[in-house]
Amino acid sequence: AQSVTQLGSHVSVSEGALVLLRCNYSSSVPPYLFWYVQYPNQGLQLLLKYTSAATLVKGINGFEAEFKKSETSFHLTKPSAHMSDAAEYFCAVSKNNQGGKLIFGQGTELSVKP
Amino acid sequence: NAGVTQTPKFQVLKTGQSMTLQCAQDMNHEYMSWYRQDPGMGLRLIHYSVGAGITDQGEVPNGYNVSRSTTEDFPLRLLSAAPSQTSVYFCASSATNEKLFFGSGTQLSVL
Repeated sequence: AQSVTQLGSHVSVSEGALVLLRCNYSSSVPPYLFWYVQYPNQGLQLLLKYTSAATLVKGINGFEAEFKKSETSFHLTKPSAHMSDAAEYFCAVSKNNQGGKLIFGQGTELSVKP
Repeated sequence: NAGVTQTPKFQVLKTGQSMTLQCAQDMNHEYMSWYRQDPGMGLRLIHYSVGAGITDQGEVPNGYNVSRSTTEDFPLRLLSAAPSQTSVYFCASSATNEKLFFGSGTQLSVL
């Protein structure tokens, strides 16, 4: 069975500081991995995705994530946080050819202090 | 472009009542799914569909029914509402496995 664990339900950083949100996955087959962002009172938007191409994936708004098979991790980073990055972030996994069937982590709420 | 449209945005039910959450997409996506979001639990898959006439259960299907008579619509039915079904519900659609488009959600309270 597939699963996703996000370490830390809440992360707080200062504006301009590095953002690091942690995600570890469990999958019996090569996974598809995703990061989604949810702003208050909105649905989720895709930040980036890993689908077995390059291990370093660049997404929107300056975010990137690195797939590390040996560590079963897919951590999300951004070099310099902006106030507008404050949101909840979800890591998700799916199997190939299972469109619409994602397993989500518990979510990490990111706060950005001025 | 409308994308994924969910109605209603808010709903309050009494225990035992039934209702249908509506979801429609105008992107001709084959895949559609329903998730519920609860604090500290992320999103959990209720039901999904890989095309008209084809549905399957997700992680938490009990108490919910779905049908997919057209590509565009994927309604979620609560048969007999329970307080445990108080949640925020999201519908999503996708053309492939690679990107889900989410609706804006339905906030449901069951008293």
